[in-house]
Amino acid sequence: NAGVTQTPKFRVLKTGQSMTLLCAQDMNHEYMYWYRQDPGMGLRLIHYSVGEGTTAKGEVPDGYNVSRLKKQNFLLGLESAAPSQTSVYFCASSYEGTGSQPQHFGDGTRLSIL
Amino acid sequence: GQNIDQPTEMTATEGAIVQINCTYQTSGFNGLFWYQQHAGEAPTFLSYNVLDGLEEKGRFSSFLSRSKGYSYLLLKELQMKDSASYLCAGLDSNYQLIWGAGTKLIIKP
Repeated sequence: NAGVTQTPKFRVLKTGQSMTLLCAQDMNHEYMYWYRQDPGMGLRLIHYSVGEGTTAKGEVPDGYNVSRLKKQNFLLGLESAAPSQTSVYFCASSYEGTGSQPQHFGDGTRLSIL
Repeated sequence: GQNIDQPTEMTATEGAIVQINCTYQTSGFNGLFWYQQHAGEAPTFLSYNVLDGLEEKGRFSSFLSRSKGYSYLLLKELQMKDSASYLCAGLDSNYQLIWGAGTKLIIKP
């Protein structure tokens, strides 16, 4: 009963380093999302995907790239980490994106950029 | 612009009832979601409203008024485990979720 699994759970990076966050879902969902959550703010959408091989920009895409080579996986890359990217990153998936289908979230990745 | 407003923090007593309000302004409207998020954990789905009125699910109910751009989440018979943040999110015309900053609910014995 895994649902949405994110790895790693915690990471500390130095400014300028790169890394990839992995999200995997086993619910056969078409839609997948990457959000960041910062204190005092709502979840902000970074990128999303409406199916295998597709990606689209969300509200705050700058400094991030994504790929969805397989339906079950959605990768988020930080090309050159900056302290402003210190945040909690959540991946979510949903069966479809129009209407009542809720998004299911992973446990988050806590990322600190020094 | 698009905006979701909800109180930052509320306090209530175990066994009581609490109402968490949310007002929304979105470009188009395709429904409103409520999620619960315990500290350090993932948000989990509570309810979805797209039509006006009250939806009841056990101890939790959610209300929507589309004409007023207003929703509330009603929690009855509060338990200590209900201490969490409650996130309101509106689904806009592009089917993007616009999230509020969340209401931290503190339950006192």
